Amino acid sequence: GENVEQHPSTLSVQEGDSAVIKCTYSDSASNYFPWYKQELGKRPQLIIDIRSNVGEKKDQRIAVTLNKTAKHFSLHITETQPEDSAVYFCAASEGGSARQLTFGSGTQLTVLP
Amino acid sequence: SQTIHQWPATLVQPVGSPLSLECTVEGTSNPNLYWYRQAAGRGLQLLFYSVGIGQISSEVPQNLSASRPQDRQFILSSKKLLLSDSGFYLCAWSADYNTGELFFGEGSRLTVL
Repeated sequence: GENVEQHPSTLSVQEGDSAVIKCTYSDSASNYFPWYKQELGKRPQLIIDIRSNVGEKKDQRIAVTLNKTAKHFSLHITETQPEDSAVYFCAASEGGSARQLTFGSGTQLTVLP
Repeated sequence: SQTIHQWPATLVQPVGSPLSLECTVEGTSNPNLYWYRQAAGRGLQLLFYSVGIGQISSEVPQNLSASRPQDRQFILSSKKLLLSDSGFYLCAWSADYNTGELFFGEGSRLTVL
């Protein structure tokens, strides 16, 4: 089955700096890679996703890059703000369905004022 | 719009007691339904998923079971709780088998003493 490794487990950045979270996956058949954000005490919510037919996707201050050859993908947050503080989960899915999502272990991002 | 609710939000139960967590979805029909467990530092682990009434698939062997008595109702149960069942349980739904986005409930914090 799929195995998703996520690093780092914790990340602290100064407000305004960039943050990068990296994930690797094992199953070359995986073709859907979402990122979920979970604020303290709240439910996880999808913030961005990418499919294997593109290498990069941006949405305002967040972007995701995918390297299928190396089987890794990354979340980039620029100009970080205190409200970006949360746990971020990456995931990978073979076939693109939610049923087959395998999640990473999560990254606790803290944006320091 | 679609909403998902699960309850209770917190539960403290003695070892050996039964468990019932309930989840309902509104505003959609025939959703795919999921139960996840979130353990600290271990991401989101899929426990059960259901593509229709009475159709339950288990992803990991465990002390828990799931049922789907109605189209938009998903129940997580146990006859006798173990200490290791403590954790944060999340119900989720997705619109289509091939759609990747998951919509999570608020979560249920279970403590087994």
